[in-house]
Amino acid sequence: NAGVMQNPRHLVRRRGQEARLRCSPMKGHSHVYWYRQLPEEGLKFMVYLQKENIIDESGMPKERFSAEFPKEGPSILRIQQVVRGDSAAYFCASSERAGFYEQYFGPGTRLTVT
Amino acid sequence: DAKTTQPTSMDCAEGRAANLPCNHSTISGNEYVYWYRQIHSQGPQYIIHGLKNNETNEMASLIITEDRKSSTLILPHATLRDTAVYYCIVNGGSQGNLIFGKGTKLSVKP
Repeated sequence: NAGVMQNPRHLVRRRGQEARLRCSPMKGHSHVYWYRQLPEEGLKFMVYLQKENIIDESGMPKERFSAEFPKEGPSILRIQQVVRGDSAAYFCASSERAGFYEQYFGPGTRLTVT
Repeated sequence: DAKTTQPTSMDCAEGRAANLPCNHSTISGNEYVYWYRQIHSQGPQYIIHGLKNNETNEMASLIITEDRKSSTLILPHATLRDTAVYYCIVNGGSQGNLIFGKGTKLSVKP
């Protein structure tokens, strides 16, 4: 069984560019969570999505960040006009049902903003 | 905020059991204890969870005290590949999002 897939694994963007991070959940999982890990810091929740719906975006920065999980295709975390402070590892996790703390994480996307 | 307290770091000799403690004195009756680990630069990995009974799977055992105020994760025969940061999580956000604390950095030494 394929696990959670994320791509790209590494992404370099210049300040002001857009970053798109993709996450394909495990087969049969329709719940996706995005987390961010800043350098030398802990993992912080960003957003929780089910197919076609954002359920909880309480951890998302108010500006420049958006997420979607369309009916077909992967979940996308989009960062517009990136700044150096956005440099971090972004992980997505999936679970098979709502409110379920047993989650399976992808390998992460390491975003570097130059 | 995380509801758990863990030691910052621990060492363990390769081949020996690693016992990682966690205090969760404010846990409520319906809250589970979850353990995850993060090997350097990788995504976190689910290990085990439990409510009040001891649990065992192919990776580890979880011992929860009778009053449920603390628990211990046991890796029975630690290997170098078990070197990681281990997180003890008591439930999380209302929608299922995990709330990570600082965890315990376990170093397994040859």
